Amino acid sequence: SQQGEEDPQALSIQEGENATMNCSYKTSINNLQWYRQNSGRGLVHLILIRSNEREKHSGRLRVTLDTSKKSSSLLITASRAADTASYFCATDDYNAGNMLTFGGGTRLMVKP
Amino acid sequence: DAGVIQSPRHEVTEMGQEVTLRCKPISGHDYLFWYRQTMMRGLELLIYFNNNVPIDDSGMPEDRFSAKMPNASFSTLKIQPSEPRDSAVYFCASSQSRGQIYSNQPQHFGDGTRLSIL
Repeated sequence: SQQGEEDPQALSIQEGENATMNCSYKTSINNLQWYRQNSGRGLVHLILIRSNEREKHSGRLRVTLDTSKKSSSLLITASRAADTASYFCATDDYNAGNMLTFGGGTRLMVKP
Repeated sequence: DAGVIQSPRHEVTEMGQEVTLRCKPISGHDYLFWYRQTMMRGLELLIYFNNNVPIDDSGMPEDRFSAKMPNASFSTLKIQPSEPRDSAVYFCASSQSRGQIYSNQPQHFGDGTRLSIL
């Protein structure tokens, strides 16, 4: 099974609303990363949060990390149609040579 | 700065043919990764290199797959012979370790090669 798993698998919201995506993982990690993938394109790195951090912001993005629950959330505030994409979390498995593994992603659609 | 460059963007070929995918990483990056993305299995790491040396190829599905990195600015992923189940989008990514473990740094992805084996 995948180290990181996103929830929900798909999310549809109106422009201006907030979007929240969650990621759960199984093992100890050094850090967790979030990526965005637009249709037909490669993944783009959004934000990295280390295991000793609880929250991080970047523009309209807010990421939280709860290592006790082995979960993270990505919040996109005031969403725009251009935010329509798939969002992936990636975790490094501390017990597997820090191999970076990606979850299955959340497909976000922001309707104008 | 130019990002990771992959070629070709699309490849359609018949079963049994040899397929070669190419990647030029970002200059100065010391890690290079090859991934495969499918609807069924998501994004899978196939192999990664550090300073042109293959470190972990445990994700390579079969002996039909091979990867090389002859120098810091070029890598290839070869499938010979190709099969329909190899159809997927193949991504190359690179990162700069800055002396840390590679997972502590963001990876920069190319736009992928969409491979269809008929």
